[in-house]
Amino acid sequence: SQTIHQWPATLVQPVGSPLSLECTVEGTSNPNLYWYRQAAGRGLQLLFYSVGIGQISSEVPQNLSASRPQDRQFILSSKKLLLSDSGFYLCAWETGSSPPLHFGNGTRLTVT
Amino acid sequence: AQSVTQPDIHITVSEGASLELRCNYSYGATPYLFWYVQSPGQGLQLLLKYFSGDTLVQGIKGFEAEFKRSQSSFNLRKPSVHWSDAAEYFCAVGASTNAGKSTFGDGTTLTVKP
Repeated sequence: SQTIHQWPATLVQPVGSPLSLECTVEGTSNPNLYWYRQAAGRGLQLLFYSVGIGQISSEVPQNLSASRPQDRQFILSSKKLLLSDSGFYLCAWETGSSPPLHFGNGTRLTVT
Repeated sequence: AQSVTQPDIHITVSEGASLELRCNYSYGATPYLFWYVQSPGQGLQLLLKYFSGDTLVQGIKGFEAEFKRSQSSFNLRKPSVHWSDAAEYFCAVGASTNAGKSTFGDGTTLTVKP
């Protein structure tokens, strides 16, 4: 069966520190992969998506970057965190011709 | 540009009562519409989707939604709410079956009274 793993579940980091959030998918191949951020009381904001290895599209300019080093691995990074990077980060996948969107359980990031 | 409005930020219903969550969208072409549910601290789970065909769609957990093109609405309904339905609900509209690039509403938080 298909599963998605996202870690860590919670993270507290000081301002200016680096960030690496990882997401892996099992049980499918060549998925479309997505990173979202969810602010309190708000919907999801699409940050990055990828349709293949090394192919990253950014939806909003920001302090974050994404990489896809392997088919089923998607990484969200930052060199120097800002307070405004705090939020709930969600990874999701789908196959291009077969929704729905499958979400990980999210990472709660607090930048202090 | 596509957009989604969920007019009700918070709704409280009694267990066993009926439920309707409103969703209005703005999109120039035929929309692809989704409803998701999110439990606290968790990811989102798809409840149902509409791409074409019958405008009344059935989903999981006893939910249904009706697409009304004339009203640009896709309201979610359930005849009898259970305490376990307490969660946050998101409506989303997309340009294709590529669900990941959908635009999400800000969500409606559902509280269920015993």
